[in-house]
Amino acid sequence: KAGVTQTPRYLIKTRGQQVTLSCSPISGHRSVSWYQQTPGQGLQFLFEYFSETQRNKGNFPGRFSGRQFSNSRSEMNVSTLELGDSALYLCASGRGLAGVSDIQYFGAGTRLSVL
Amino acid sequence: AQSVSQHNHHVILSEAASLELGCNYSYGGTVNLFWYVQYPGQHLQLLLKYFSGDPLVKGIKGFEAEFIKSKFSFNLRKPSVQWSDTAEYFCAVKYNNNDMRFGAGTRLTVKP
Repeated sequence: KAGVTQTPRYLIKTRGQQVTLSCSPISGHRSVSWYQQTPGQGLQFLFEYFSETQRNKGNFPGRFSGRQFSNSRSEMNVSTLELGDSALYLCASGRGLAGVSDIQYFGAGTRLSVL
Repeated sequence: AQSVSQHNHHVILSEAASLELGCNYSYGGTVNLFWYVQYPGQHLQLLLKYFSGDPLVKGIKGFEAEFIKSKFSFNLRKPSVQWSDTAEYFCAVKYNNNDMRFGAGTRLTVKP
């Protein structure tokens, strides 16, 4: 079956703009998590959505937001872009059932460059 | 706060050398533990996982990891590395509240 799909793969924006990234999870997965990956920082957790509700949130400013649709697809939005937002944004999907061992499967990521 | 620490930022080995990458996590009750690998230009892939049972788990490509609960550690090992193991390795911990945390990653370079 198809894996996690992220679009677009590459984005170039300028400071102050906003951007929306999209993630389609593996069929049947209801949990979608977003991460920011930068050299030396590893993966930093942004947020997790399950059944259209944000279930967990990392320590990122309010400029970073997300949502999940009824078909489990998710979007992440970053407003008022800053140079430091340049990173690879990864999406991961899983079954997301509470208390049950779960595996996250990752997409290829969207590489955002802010100029 | 829940956190994951990987001790080595960059490891350089020759082929056939043994590998051990350290990973420690902050206490948080019952956890699921993972090692992911990211080969150059590729997306993150699951290497191995620990959910419960035997604390020594085996993954793909000859990798294994040992969960030591008393030390909050989940170190990754491979007896003999190959050039194709050159990649970045991430330890991850899923806490009981479904919060998933990753370490900063360890870059492994294997010299042929």
